[in-house]
Amino acid sequence: DVVMTQTPPSLSVAIGQSVSISCKSSQSLVHSDGKTYLNWLLQNPGQSPKRLIYQVSNLGSGVPDRFSGTGSEKDFTLKISRVEAEDLGVYHCVQATHVPYTFGAGTKLELK
Amino acid sequence: VQLVESGGGLVQPGKSLKLSCSASGFTFSSYGMHWIRQAPGKGLEWDAYISSSSGTVYADAVKGRFTISRDNAKNTLYLQLNSLKSEDTAIYYCARGKTGVDYWGQGVMVTVSS
Repeated sequence: DVVMTQTPPSLSVAIGQSVSISCKSSQSLVHSDGKTYLNWLLQNPGQSPKRLIYQVSNLGSGVPDRFSGTGSEKDFTLKISRVEAEDLGVYHCVQATHVPYTFGAGTKLELK
Repeated sequence: VQLVESGGGLVQPGKSLKLSCSASGFTFSSYGMHWIRQAPGKGLEWDAYISSSSGTVYADAVKGRFTISRDNAKNTLYLQLNSLKSEDTAIYYCARGKTGVDYWGQGVMVTVSS
């Protein structure tokens, strides 16, 4: 199975600050169709996950453009510019290139 | 898009349970669907996927014990959980899409305990 290593496990931030979260995979996430199926999810406290970014860098519907995703092959980054209160929660990366789909352990974003 | 899970509860080890996910707001028959779980205080773990044409794939941990199925006429996804173990205790989410997994339900709690 592909191991997704997500760091840091937690972040303490002030509103308006920018932060980055890293996700590294144990195998290349480039699919045989040429696409890279690496998604980022946000799980606000007590809620179900919601998709932020798909295929490395594409914003999901309704997701503000202060979120951005970059990366390739095995190394990926989620950046949040100008953190807002609604951004607090746990961020998960997930690879959907290889079966079984696998998730990072999560990064908890908290207020400083 | 709305996904609403049901059927969870407290069940003894070795027993069975069937979860349902009622879908609305989109053409259910056109989408692959997943079941994904989250143990209390833990991360997310993928369990099973069913394609729009009802092809299925499972995680090794549930293969032979869980069965994913769908009824397109009822816009409903199912997960039959058999031979339940304490480590199956989790919130179970249904989610839409093959690689994009764009919408998630609110989840249903399954507790396996004697």
